[in-house]
Amino acid sequence: GQQVMQIPQYQHVQEGEDFTTYCNSSTTLSNIQWYKQRPGGHPVFLIQLVKSGEVKKQKRLTFQFGEAKKNSSLHITATQTTDVGTYFCAGRTSGTYKYIFGTGTRLKVLA
Amino acid sequence: GAGVSQSPSNKVTEKGKDVELRCDPISGHTALYWYRQSLGQGLEFLIYFQGNSAPDKSGLPSDRFSAERTGGSVSTLTIQRTQQEDSAVYLCASSATSGSAYEQYFGPGTRLTVT
Repeated sequence: GQQVMQIPQYQHVQEGEDFTTYCNSSTTLSNIQWYKQRPGGHPVFLIQLVKSGEVKKQKRLTFQFGEAKKNSSLHITATQTTDVGTYFCAGRTSGTYKYIFGTGTRLKVLA
Repeated sequence: GAGVSQSPSNKVTEKGKDVELRCDPISGHTALYWYRQSLGQGLEFLIYFQGNSAPDKSGLPSDRFSAERTGGSVSTLTIQRTQQEDSAVYLCASSATSGSAYEQYFGPGTRLTVT
């Protein structure tokens, strides 16, 4: 079945450093979504990517969707303590609204 | 407006008992999802409802798990004969399926502990 892996599993950075998490799907995706889950909270939607090679930016966050629509990345520039949490990608294949979530990357930011 | 709500927020049950978890989605959302999240782990897809279509049950881990969605709104996830490995946070999400972004709105979850 469809699998979505994320690396790294954990990342500790000093405040101000950059951070990147990578998402890889075993199958071609129709679209991919990114979510952030703060400790003790529930996942909150960040963005959706649909087009091959798409790049979207939200302030310090940059999201990319690969040309083959099988991988994606989230890059945070100059991390802040408010960026702490677990970042999940979620991929959907055509013909269904079912999403498979990635394994997540837990980010810790050291002040 | 109101977001996704789930009840109860916490449930402690004895091994072998049945439990029912409830999800009230955002009004008008046609898609409803159930996920399971074990401590420190990712989200495991359980089941998905879309309008009047047959649900996608491909993620249910065993026949002890079932779910229904009445009137296209409220959903109930039932776990029969609970086992200790069922302990987790059960998250419900709803989504619109028209427009450009089908973002999922998550409820706060039900933390299930099986003793």
